Amino acid sequence: AQSVTQPDIHITVSEGASLELRCNYSYGATPYLFWYVQSPGQGLQLLLKYFSGDTLVQGIKGFEAEFKRSQSSFNLRKPSVHWSDAAEYFCAVRKNTGFQKLVFGTGTRLLVSP
Amino acid sequence: EAGVTQSPTHLIKTRGQQATLRCSPISGHTSVYWYQQALGLGLQFLLWYDEGEERNRGNFPPRFSGRQFPNYSSELNVNALELEDSALYLCASSPAGRGKETQYFGPGTRLLVL
Repeated sequence: AQSVTQPDIHITVSEGASLELRCNYSYGATPYLFWYVQSPGQGLQLLLKYFSGDTLVQGIKGFEAEFKRSQSSFNLRKPSVHWSDAAEYFCAVRKNTGFQKLVFGTGTRLLVSP
Repeated sequence: EAGVTQSPTHLIKTRGQQATLRCSPISGHTSVYWYQQALGLGLQFLLWYDEGEERNRGNFPPRFSGRQFPNYSSELNVNALELEDSALYLCASSPAGRGKETQYFGPGTRLLVL
C-alpha cells in the first residue's frame, strides 16, 4: 500500500529565510506526487505536481519541489518565506495507473516569525 | 473559471440525524472525490464518482453514501450521524482525459455533530 511520511509536524521559519519541507513516500513504482497548501479554515490549494521528466518542478507562489527517486522523496522548497506562507502543507501521492485516490501525509504546519 | 464549490460551509447536526453535503465541480470536470479531514485522523479518501457512477470508496461504513447527478455535481449523505463524524469534508474534481491525474479541491463543509 502507498504511504506518505511528512516527518515534521511543525516548522518555524523567520520571514525571508529559506524553507524546506520534507516528504517521503512508499510505493512500488514512481507515483504521481503533489503538494497542497491549506490555510486555516480553507480547502486545499494545489502548489505543484510531478508526473515524470525534469525532477525539479516549479509551482505557484514561488515554491519548487525536487523528486529524488533514490531517496523516495519529494521535498518542497522556497528560497524566501513570506508571512502569508504560514499554513499547513500536505504532500500527496497517487498511483500512476488505475484508481485515482490521493494518499496524503499528515501535514506540516508552517509558522513564520517576524 | 470558477473553482469547486461546496455547500453549506458549516453544518450543525445532532447525533442520529442525517447530513447532506453538496459539491459542484469545475466546469468540464466529470470526476468528483470526497475526502474527510477529521482531527487527528488526517485526510482520508471517502468516495469517487465518475460519469454518474460510484467508482470506489474508502474504508467508511455504508452510512456514508452519495451520488453524482447528470450535471456532474455531487451529494454526500451521512446517515445516523455519530459524534466522530465531526470533520471538514472536502470535495475535489478532475477532468476526464488530459489532466485527469490532478484533483482540485473546494473550500470544504465543516460538519459538527452534537
